[in-house]
Amino acid sequence: NAGVTQTPKFRILKIGQSMTLQCTQDMNHNYMYWYRQDPGMGLKLIYYSVGAGITDKGEVPNGYNVSRSTTEDFPLRLELAAPSQTSVYFCASSRTSGIADTQYFGPGTRLTVL
Amino acid sequence: KNEVEQSPQNLTAQEGEFITINCSYSVGISALHWLQQHPGGGIVSLFMLSSGKKKHGRLIATINIQEKHSSLHITASHPRDSAVYICAVRAGSQGNLIFGKGTKLSVKP
Repeated sequence: NAGVTQTPKFRILKIGQSMTLQCTQDMNHNYMYWYRQDPGMGLKLIYYSVGAGITDKGEVPNGYNVSRSTTEDFPLRLELAAPSQTSVYFCASSRTSGIADTQYFGPGTRLTVL
Repeated sequence: KNEVEQSPQNLTAQEGEFITINCSYSVGISALHWLQQHPGGGIVSLFMLSSGKKKHGRLIATINIQEKHSSLHITASHPRDSAVYICAVRAGSQGNLIFGKGTKLSVKP
């Protein structure tokens, strides 16, 4: 099993450009999450999904969009990149969201917006 | 005030020392997680606990629900333990995780 994979690993964007961060998991997990990690700050939840076709906002959703057309894939879209979106982005998945849940994280995407 | 507070923020230890990292939280929780973020950035789950104590190798995690406090202990620390240790809590039975800012541990040989 590859677990949770993310592409790209690094990306530099200019202000106003768009891009999609890809996330794929091969563990047949229902739940998937997108987090951002800013220097010196805890992980913040951007969006999450409880299954194919179902997504919901997390704590910091502004400037982002997601879709979940399959169980495996959960892409994160930045439409008009802004310097405030410079961060490290982590995708994660879990079998459930109950108290016994363990989240499995991807390796992260380091995004810089100039 | 953050809902999840970790202390210390930074910790430097000599190889072999006993290490304690603390996590305090202000919300009712159903579970608490300890995670490790490697210097390369990858994040792995170490423990999930809702009561008592868990042990895995040289790592021990404890939680006191009444005091809203958890500790992560590392015995006989080693330079390969150098990482950021993150505490996260699940508020309620189905809530999303709330993360602390992490404790950066550096173990010197």
